[in-house]
Amino acid sequence: ETGVTQTPRHLVMGMTNKKSLKCEQHLGHNAMYWYKQSAKKPLELMFVYNFKEQTENNSVPSRFSPECPNSSHLFLHLHTLQPEDSALYLCASSQDRDFAPDTQYFGPGTRLTVL
Amino acid sequence: AQSVTQPDIHITVSEGASLELRCNYSYGATPYLFWYVQSPGQGLQLLLKYFSGDTLVQGIKGFEAEFKRSQSSFNLRKPSVHWSDAAEYFCAVGGGNDMRFGAGTRLTVKP
Repeated sequence: ETGVTQTPRHLVMGMTNKKSLKCEQHLGHNAMYWYKQSAKKPLELMFVYNFKEQTENNSVPSRFSPECPNSSHLFLHLHTLQPEDSALYLCASSQDRDFAPDTQYFGPGTRLTVL
Repeated sequence: AQSVTQPDIHITVSEGASLELRCNYSYGATPYLFWYVQSPGQGLQLLLKYFSGDTLVQGIKGFEAEFKRSQSSFNLRKPSVHWSDAAEYFCAVGGGNDMRFGAGTRLTVKP
């Protein structure tokens, strides 16, 4: 596998379910990101992990819980979601370097539908 | 605060015609600028980026973009559009945990 992979690609869940999204990057990067993409809205950055440490949490509701066990894997644990959480969830990774720009590379996304 | 504006929500061009997608940014320092493309149901693919140097940058799939500091713009161009270019295009500024994306421009290509 190359690049950034995400599983599952599609997920349908009820509001009382608990599920997890998985992201894996094969690029040797040290930073990983979760984004939410809703229809007709710009991408929303949710979480950032740098060297496995969470460095950003953009006021995301607690029903979304990220986990980064190592620099190659990132999870998004979901519980008691709402229908408005239905969206495409994108994972990205980059090589973060002090005082230097970095480029984010994206996975294909997980299309989440909350019933 | 930095921000990105893509003035055109939807553009339709004929196959073989030239294309220009507009992007304007607001940023306090020298910006790092990106263009990504997203096909339906897919993630974002990097087309090109500008960090410094030559203001005309070449990307994949025959795309290019020009950084114009005086106009705070980073417009994407292609001389001859192919049907496979139909997709959503996103301009972005920044990097790392300070990346801001525009709302996107959807490109439709007519046969």
